[in-house]
Amino acid sequence: AQSVAQPEDQVNVAEGNPLTVKCTYSVSGNPYLFWYVQYPNRGLQFLLKYITGDNLVKGSYGFEAEFNKSQTSFHLKKPSALVSDSALYFCAVRSYGSGNTGKLIFGQGTTLQVKP
Amino acid sequence: DVKVTQSSRYLVKRTGEKVFLECVQDMDHENMFWYRQDPGLGLRLIYFSYDVKMKEKGDIPEGYSVSREKKERFSLILESASTNQTSMYLCASSLGRWTGAKYEQFFGPGTRLTVL
Repeated sequence: AQSVAQPEDQVNVAEGNPLTVKCTYSVSGNPYLFWYVQYPNRGLQFLLKYITGDNLVKGSYGFEAEFNKSQTSFHLKKPSALVSDSALYFCAVRSYGSGNTGKLIFGQGTTLQVKP
Repeated sequence: DVKVTQSSRYLVKRTGEKVFLECVQDMDHENMFWYRQDPGLGLRLIYFSYDVKMKEKGDIPEGYSVSREKKERFSLILESASTNQTSMYLCASSLGRWTGAKYEQFFGPGTRLTVL
């Protein structure tokens, strides 16, 4: 079965420190991986994606993510956290068996709390 | 700027009522999706559509139906609302009927539905 796991419900980090939000996946072929962010009372916003190529992907707001095929992981990172990064983060993977319609499987979400 | 709009931000309905949630996108996207978001469960796909008048069940279609009469509009219908359908409902769209897997989804702001 295809799945995405975000092992931490919440991540706490001090402003200015590096942050990591973890994501692991299980799919039956080459994965397409996505990160989204949700600010309070808002819809999801796309941050970045890995389709193919360089394992280090750069995205919006200074975020980046590293694709690791052997560990089936796609962790979200930022070198220096801001208080404004506090939000709910979702990892997602393309679901096989749906043709190419872009149907995604989402993780359960990780709340990032950045303290001043 | 790309835009997905949803007809209501907040909605309160009574048990047994028929409820319509409307979603409109202005990006000429082929794919449209309806999710519900519940704490600790992430996003779960209710239905999606890859073309006008086409629809496919997602992971939790029971108690819901959808309609897509025009490319830009995708409606979610709760035939007889129940309290366990109290949730945040998110609509999304993406490019590409046959190549959509590579493309990110764009989300609306969400509708918080309460069924009393």
